[in-house]
Amino acid sequence: AQRVTQPEKLLSVFKGAPVELKCNYSYSGSPELFWYVQYSRQRLQLLLRHISRESIKGFTADLNKGETSFHLKKPFAQEEDSAMYYCALSALAPGANNLFFGTGTRLTVIP
Amino acid sequence: GAGVSQTPSNKVTEKGKYVELRCDPISGHTALYWYRQSLGQGPEFLIYFQGTGAADDSGLPNDRFFAVRPEGSVSTLKIQRTERGDSAVYLCASSHYAGGPEAFFGQGTRLTVV
Repeated sequence: AQRVTQPEKLLSVFKGAPVELKCNYSYSGSPELFWYVQYSRQRLQLLLRHISRESIKGFTADLNKGETSFHLKKPFAQEEDSAMYYCALSALAPGANNLFFGTGTRLTVIP
Repeated sequence: GAGVSQTPSNKVTEKGKYVELRCDPISGHTALYWYRQSLGQGPEFLIYFQGTGAADDSGLPNDRFFAVRPEGSVSTLKIQRTERGDSAVYLCASSHYAGGPEAFFGQGTRLTVV
């Protein structure tokens, strides 16, 4: 069975400080990992996915299969980064469909 | 439309009543998903449609829950004999195809069963 764990429900950092949101997963097959973000009063939206290897809004995430982790990092947090962040997993297979989400981490960036 | 649209945005119903929640996906998206998000939890998968057919309904909690997508576009999630435990935000998402590059979410319907 698949499982996504986000150990921190709340995380506060000062503006300009580095931020890391932790995500660990368990899955027997080959996973695809995502980070979704929900800003205040907005809908859930994709931030990044591991196969794209992109940096979005200064955020990066590296899939570590040895540690089964997909932590989200940003070197210098901005106030506009304050939001709810969800790590999610999908099977990396043809026709794979649904996402399995973690419980989320609420990030607050203190001015 | 510009994005996935869900109606109503809020629904309050009495225990035991029947409710329907509607999702209008992005035009041209063949894959449509329903999720349920309870307080303090991440979204939980309910059902997935590819076109008109339910390709995976393994997340539906019991037979009180049912969903349709008769013309491959709009979908309706139906809940019979609602219970207080059904209270949650119901999210709909669509993508170009199954496992597509990005799933676009609606704003959700907040269902409260009193």
